[in-house]
Amino acid sequence: EPEVTQTPSHQVTQMGQEVILRCVPISNHLYFYWYRQILGQKVEFLVSFYNNEISEKSEIFDDQFSVERPDGSNFTLKIRSTKLEDSAMYFCASNQGAGETQYFGPGTRLLVL
Amino acid sequence: DAKTTQPPSMDCAEGRAANLPCNHSTISGNEYVYWYRQIHSQGPQYIIHGLKNNETNEMASLIITEDRKSSTLILPHATLRDTAVYYCIVRYHSGNTPLVFGKGTRLSVIA
Repeated sequence: EPEVTQTPSHQVTQMGQEVILRCVPISNHLYFYWYRQILGQKVEFLVSFYNNEISEKSEIFDDQFSVERPDGSNFTLKIRSTKLEDSAMYFCASNQGAGETQYFGPGTRLLVL
Repeated sequence: DAKTTQPPSMDCAEGRAANLPCNHSTISGNEYVYWYRQIHSQGPQYIIHGLKNNETNEMASLIITEDRKSSTLILPHATLRDTAVYYCIVRYHSGNTPLVFGKGTRLSVIA
């Protein structure tokens, strides 16, 4: 069964460093998302992406964040200058058609020291 | 904010049916009810969704009241591996509408 995959599974970085989190959505999916979950808190929406542009973003998704689909398979989230409060699980999700079921990847645990 | 209300926690004996309630009294006519679960800190796992008819798949059944203001997710024979946080989410079926997660119900299946 096709799955969303994410790499790395864990990332430790120093405050102020740039990180890139990678996702490979399910191959025939067209709509992509990033969510995050700070330890012990709710899953929060960050950004949605369709047709090579951002469709919607939350207040969390400020200028430090960017997303890109550099080729036909990867979908990346970049954090330009990490802060301690960026420590969280980051989940990628995708769905095939408009409004269809979203499927999530296993997540990347980011720890900013 | 999430448009759903769920009890924070529930227990269920292994092998028994787990019935997880959800209130969504402000749901609009074209919003679907989705259920996901999250085991430890893994990615949310899709379970089932519906609009107004009851639905069943290999994982669970979804019962939606006639007025659509509440629903119940039923796991017919709960196992220890069903211990997780269960999220009830209402969502439009259009564009790439994001999911809005609440705190969910923490289901503990007890041997």
